[in-house]
Amino acid sequence: AQSVAQPEDQVNVAEGNPLTVKCTYSVSGNPYLFWYVQYPNRGLQFLLKYITGDNLVKGSYGFEAEFNKSQTSFHLKKPSALVSDSALYFCAVSYQKVTFGTGTKLQVIP
Amino acid sequence: DVKVTQSSRYLVKRTGEKVFLECVQDMDHENMFWYRQDPGLGLRLIYFSYDVKMKEKGDIPEGYSVSREKKERFSLILESASTNQTSMYLCASSSAATGGGQPQHFGDGTRLSIL
Repeated sequence: AQSVAQPEDQVNVAEGNPLTVKCTYSVSGNPYLFWYVQYPNRGLQFLLKYITGDNLVKGSYGFEAEFNKSQTSFHLKKPSALVSDSALYFCAVSYQKVTFGTGTKLQVIP
Repeated sequence: DVKVTQSSRYLVKRTGEKVFLECVQDMDHENMFWYRQDPGLGLRLIYFSYDVKMKEKGDIPEGYSVSREKKERFSLILESASTNQTSMYLCASSSAATGGGQPQHFGDGTRLSIL
C-alpha cells in the first residue's frame, strides 16, 4: 500500500521569511512525487515534480522541493514567502496509483 | 496550456435526483479522473478512465458512475443523490496513466450541494 502524509494542517510564516511545507511518503518502490497548489475556489495547479536525478527540484513561482530518500520526505520550500503564496498545498505520490495528501494551508502574514 | 473545463461551478440538487457533472479537456489526454475533495480528507479518487468507453473504480466509487463516450469528455453521474455526496468535485486529465510521471491538470471544480 502507498500513502502520503502532510503532518501540518496549517503553516504560518511572516512575509519575507523562508517557508517549508512538509511531506512524507510510504511506497515499496521508487515513486514520482508532486506538489500542487490550490487557491480559493479553484482547482489544483501543478507546481513541481521529482522523477529522478537531483534531489533539489525547482518549480513555479520560486518554489523548490527537496527529495530525501532515506527519510522518505519531499518537503516544499521557498526562500522568501509572499502574501500571495497563501493557499492550500497538496503533496502527491505516484506509484501504482496517485495518492494525495490531506493538504496544508499556508498563511503568509504581512 | 491544458484547459480542463467543468460545466458548473455551483450546483444545488435534491436527494434522490440523478445528477450529471460534465468535464471537457482540450489536450487530447488519454487519462481522465474524477475526485471529491472534503476538508481534512484531501482528494479521493472516485473513478478514472484511460480510454474511450474504459473506466476503472477508484477508492470511493459507491453511489457514482461515469461515462466516457468521447476522448475529450468525462462525465460523473450520481445515480440517486444523497446528502453525504455534498462536496467539491474535481475533474483532472493527464497524459500519464495513474501511477505515471506526468502531472494531472485540474478543472476549477463543481461545488455540489444536495438538499
